[in-house]
Amino acid sequence: AQKVTQAQTEISVVEKEDVTLDCVYETRDTTYYLFWYKQPPSGELVFLIRRNSFDEQNEISGRYSWNFQKSTSSFNFTITASQVVDSAVYFCALNSGAGSYQLTFGKGTKLSVIP
Amino acid sequence: GAVVSQHPSWVICKSGTSVKIECRSLDFQATTMFWYRQFPKQSLMLMATSNEGSKATYEQGVEKDKFLINHASLTLSTLTVTSAHPEDSSFYICSAVLAGRTDTQYFGPGTRLTVL
Repeated sequence: AQKVTQAQTEISVVEKEDVTLDCVYETRDTTYYLFWYKQPPSGELVFLIRRNSFDEQNEISGRYSWNFQKSTSSFNFTITASQVVDSAVYFCALNSGAGSYQLTFGKGTKLSVIP
Repeated sequence: GAVVSQHPSWVICKSGTSVKIECRSLDFQATTMFWYRQFPKQSLMLMATSNEGSKATYEQGVEKDKFLINHASLTLSTLTVTSAHPEDSSFYICSAVLAGRTDTQYFGPGTRLTVL
C-alpha cells in the first residue's frame, strides 16, 4: 500500500523567512513518481514538480527547492524568502508508476505567510 | 500546454435535482481522467477513474449510481451527481493524463457544488 504523510498541518511564517514543508512517503514499488502541488484559496491545483524514483538530484526553481532522499523516503519542499503569494495549501503526492496513473495524496500543509 | 477546464466553476441547486459537471482537456488528448472530491480543509479523495470509451472504475465506497461518469471522447469527461442532497455539497476536481504519459496528472480548476 502507498502512503504519503505530511506531518505539518499548518505553518505560519513571516514574510521573507524560509520555510520547509515535509513529506514522507511509503511504497513497495521501485519505480515511482513524487509530486508537489499548490492549492491557493481559489482551489485550483497548481503543478510544481515531478520527480521520479531514479533521480535523487535536488532541484531548484527560483525560490523553490526540493530535497529528495530515498534513504529516508522523504521529498521535502523549501521556499526561500517566502512571500504572501506563497500562502496556500501544499500537497505532496505519490504515483507508483507501475502502470497506474493514480495519485496518493498527503493531507496537505497549509502555509500562511504573514506580511 | 496541458490545460484542463471544468464547467461550471460553481453551482447551487435544490435537493433532489441532478447536476452535470464537465471536464475538458483543452490542448491535449486524455485517455484517462480522474474525478476527486475535496471537503473543506481536507485532502483530495479519488472518486473514480474515467477511461475513454469504457466504464468508469469507482473507488470503494463511492456510489456509481449516484455519481455517473461518462468519458465519451478523448477530451471530455462528465460527472453527473444524481438526486443531489446537501451532503453531496463539496468541491469536485477533475484531472487528466496526457495520452501516452503516465506520470503527471493535470488538474482542472474545480467545481464547487452547493446543494440546498
